[in-house]
Amino acid sequence: GIQVEQSPPDLILQEGANSTLRCNFSDSVNNLQWFHQNPWGQLINLFYIPSGTKQNGRLSATTVATERYSLLYISSSQTTDSGVYFCAVETDSGNTPLVFGKGTRLSVIA
Amino acid sequence: GAVVSQHPSRVICKSGTSVKIECRSLDFQATTMFWYRQFPKQSLMLMATSNEGSKATYEQGVEKDKFLINHASLTLSTLTVTSAHPEDSSFYICSARVLLNTEAFFGQGTRLTVV
Repeated sequence: GIQVEQSPPDLILQEGANSTLRCNFSDSVNNLQWFHQNPWGQLINLFYIPSGTKQNGRLSATTVATERYSLLYISSSQTTDSGVYFCAVETDSGNTPLVFGKGTRLSVIA
Repeated sequence: GAVVSQHPSRVICKSGTSVKIECRSLDFQATTMFWYRQFPKQSLMLMATSNEGSKATYEQGVEKDKFLINHASLTLSTLTVTSAHPEDSSFYICSARVLLNTEAFFGQGTRLTVV
């Protein structure tokens, strides 16, 4: 099956700093999503981005499907950004399950 | 975005008992839902695909007799953990899409503790 690798596995930032999280995948994908898992376990949808670039406030994401990677940018980080960020991909079209990477655990300290 | 509601959010049960977890699509119909399990500090692993009106499809290594899935309507899928044991303690979370080839949304998750 497809392999989804996220880096770095852990990241500690000072409040106000910027960061880039990376997601590499081993095969072509039909769908790619970024999630933030909060301390209560809830998965918050950040981006649905099978290709191209999107921005939402301090967050933006870019997926280069032909090169099999996606990047999540966090600017001016805040303590509320702490948590685990997951990249997940869908390999087939239609309604098939997402395959998750292992996540990046982000801690933003004041 | 679409709303997927999961209940209960937290449950503690005794070994040997069964626990039912509900996953509802609140504002759309979902012919297919997905059930995942997450152990502490690990990623989400797919357990099974729940199909409305038919049998669920289980991933390799997941016991279908222990994790019973029923998708009796277009808005409700249930996961029943039968004869629960402490090793079944985990975070269970469901997912659904409104339309094909669109983003997936997740329920709030259920934290199961078996004592």
